[in-house]
Amino acid sequence: GAVVSQHPSWVICKSGTSVKIECRSLDFQATTMFWYRQFPKQSLMLMATSNEGSKATYEQGVEKDKFLINHASLTLSTLTVTSAHPEDSSFYICSASDDDLYGYTFGSGTRLTVV
Amino acid sequence: DAKTTQPPSMDCAEGRAANLPCNHSTISGNEYVYWYRQIHSQGPQYIIHGLKNNETNEMASLIITEDRKSSTLILPHATLRDTAVYYCIVSDDWGKFQFGAGTQVVVTP
Repeated sequence: GAVVSQHPSWVICKSGTSVKIECRSLDFQATTMFWYRQFPKQSLMLMATSNEGSKATYEQGVEKDKFLINHASLTLSTLTVTSAHPEDSSFYICSASDDDLYGYTFGSGTRLTVV
Repeated sequence: DAKTTQPPSMDCAEGRAANLPCNHSTISGNEYVYWYRQIHSQGPQYIIHGLKNNETNEMASLIITEDRKSSTLILPHATLRDTAVYYCIVSDDWGKFQFGAGTQVVVTP
C-alpha cells in the first residue's frame, strides 16, 4: 500500500523559533494532502488542506500566518510552525492519497514540544 | 463537529469477535462511512469503508444498516495488537475528516 513519511518524528524547540515538518508520499504522487493536530488524550483535528501548486485551505480557527503550508511538489508538503509557543506543543499528522482503493494514508506523526 | 457517535470504550477477549457500533443518524446520501484506528502515538490506520453495502476485507467487516443511520465494525478474531482507538467517520470528501472521540478498544488475554 501507499506509504506516507513524516520528518522529523519528534522535535523540541525553544519558544519563539520556527519549526518545519515534512510530509512525503514515498511511492505515489499526491495532489492533495491534509494536516491534522492532536493534543494529548484528544482526537485529531483537521487544520488545513494542502493543494499542490496552490494555496492551502485552512479550517476555521487555524491561523494561516502561524501555520505555513507549502505543497511545492506532488510528493512533498511542509508545515512550518512559526514563532512557536508552548501551547503549540502537539502531535502533527499528515495524510495523502494515491487515489486507489486504500484512499488516504496517514503519516506516523511528528511530536512537537516547545519549551 | 463530528457527525458520529461511538461508545467511549470497549473490552474484548482475545480470539473473540469485537463488534464496534457507530451512530451516524444525520448521514447524507453521498457520504461514505470510514473506519480508521490509531495505536498510541502513531498515525491512524485505514481499516475499511463503505457507502451502502456491507464490506469485508482482510482486516474487518463493515455492516451498514439499510437506513444508513448506523454501522458496525467487526473484527472477527481480536488479537492483542488490535488494542487501539477506533474512529468511525462519515465524509463526502475522502481524506477531509472530522474525527470524533472514537472508541478505545482494549483486547485482553
